[in-house]
Amino acid sequence: DQQVKQNSPSLSVQEGRISILNCDYTNSMFDYFLWYKKYPAEGPTFLISISSIKDKNEDGRFTVFLNKSAKHLSLHIVPSQPGDSAVYFCAAKARNTGNQFYFGTGTSLTVIP
Amino acid sequence: ETGVTQTPRHLVMGMTNKKSLKCEQHLGHNAMYWYKQSAKKPLELMFVYNFKEQTENNSVPSRFSPECPNSSHLFLHLHTLQPEDSALYLCASSQDGLEIETQYFGPGTRLLVL
Repeated sequence: DQQVKQNSPSLSVQEGRISILNCDYTNSMFDYFLWYKKYPAEGPTFLISISSIKDKNEDGRFTVFLNKSAKHLSLHIVPSQPGDSAVYFCAAKARNTGNQFYFGTGTSLTVIP
Repeated sequence: ETGVTQTPRHLVMGMTNKKSLKCEQHLGHNAMYWYKQSAKKPLELMFVYNFKEQTENNSVPSRFSPECPNSSHLFLHLHTLQPEDSALYLCASSQDGLEIETQYFGPGTRLLVL
């Protein structure tokens, strides 16, 4: 049972435009959510997080939105740059479930110069 | 060295070989993880150690054997693997008890089982 889903395996965006990556989850007990970015031949690197008590968190060009009623979160990248081309994973965790993090399958973003 | 390091970066082994993957974290974290990443699948959690004690074992076959001698080092011992075990093996560490616990990943070991 996959508790975190990223239904778009890939996304292409023109440089300078907005990239929107989506993630859905099924467990309403998740306490916080994270986005990771992964380049080929490297491990995932942490990008941005959001607590379940918030609906928005912003860090520079990256903003994460959380819609708890829809069990949906999204990552907005504005403006998109060619260096943003990577695979993006969303992850979720509930504090009372030990050390278990739940990851989506990833969305491969290509920013076209 | 900073962050999380993994060795080797690439490994090719036969089904009868025995090999070990090594992970070291330089972040002072108390929890360490092994994940398997196969193509088009989510990251699969294999093992978790918290203060050197194993806290999660997600039904991983016994041909994978973890070892955590201290909070900074984690090993994954491999023996009699199958070709379907070929994947990217990622190590991560985190510090629990924080408001938002963040995992930091190593670069991974790309394993090919022939």
